[in-house]
Amino acid sequence: AQKITQTQPGMFVQEKEAVTLDCTYDTSDQSYGLFWYKQPSSGEMIFLIYQGSYDEQNATEGRYSLNFQKARKSANLVISASQLGDSAMYFCAMRFDQTGANNLFFGTGTRLTVIP
Amino acid sequence: DAGVTQSPTHLIKTRGQQVTLRCSPISGHKSVSWYQQVLGQGPQFIFQYYEKEERGRGNFPDRFSARQFPNYSSELNVNALLLGDSALYLCASSGIAGGGETQYFGPGTRLLVL
Repeated sequence: AQKITQTQPGMFVQEKEAVTLDCTYDTSDQSYGLFWYKQPSSGEMIFLIYQGSYDEQNATEGRYSLNFQKARKSANLVISASQLGDSAMYFCAMRFDQTGANNLFFGTGTRLTVIP
Repeated sequence: DAGVTQSPTHLIKTRGQQVTLRCSPISGHKSVSWYQQVLGQGPQFIFQYYEKEERGRGNFPDRFSARQFPNYSSELNVNALLLGDSALYLCASSGIAGGGETQYFGPGTRLLVL
């Protein structure tokens, strides 16, 4: 069975510092996609970054990068130069490409607090 | 371009009632998915529709149903509401049903069942 694990319920980071949010997954599938979403208190899930299982290079989007270690089945999110607006819940999610559907399986999330 | 829109934003119902939630996808997107997010948890997949056909269904009871219209908008219906149905209901749209498409979420509908 597929599983997404986020072991950090809460994280604190000083403004302008970098922070790493952990995500591990478990699947026997070879083809899958990994996503990170940000959820502010308003509730909307904001797409941040995507990594395909066959992508050889780590994905980057502005201040976000995904540290993809396939053998260890981890897909950690790195946020550089943290800003106060980065305070939110962050969810790691996985799509299993062989299902024919596009549904995502989410972890339990990490609440990030940026300290001024 | 407008993002995914959902209505209503908030809803209060009592046990046993029925509720209909609505979602309009991003223009050009043909796939709509519904998720339930209970407080303190990650979203859980309920349904996916593509070109008006159901493409996937999560582990939810038959009280939950959905449909997609010719303009690709979608409705989620929940019958015989239970207290445990209180949650944030999120709609997401993508261009295609599977493969490498990213899902973009709407602001959600907060449902409270009393």
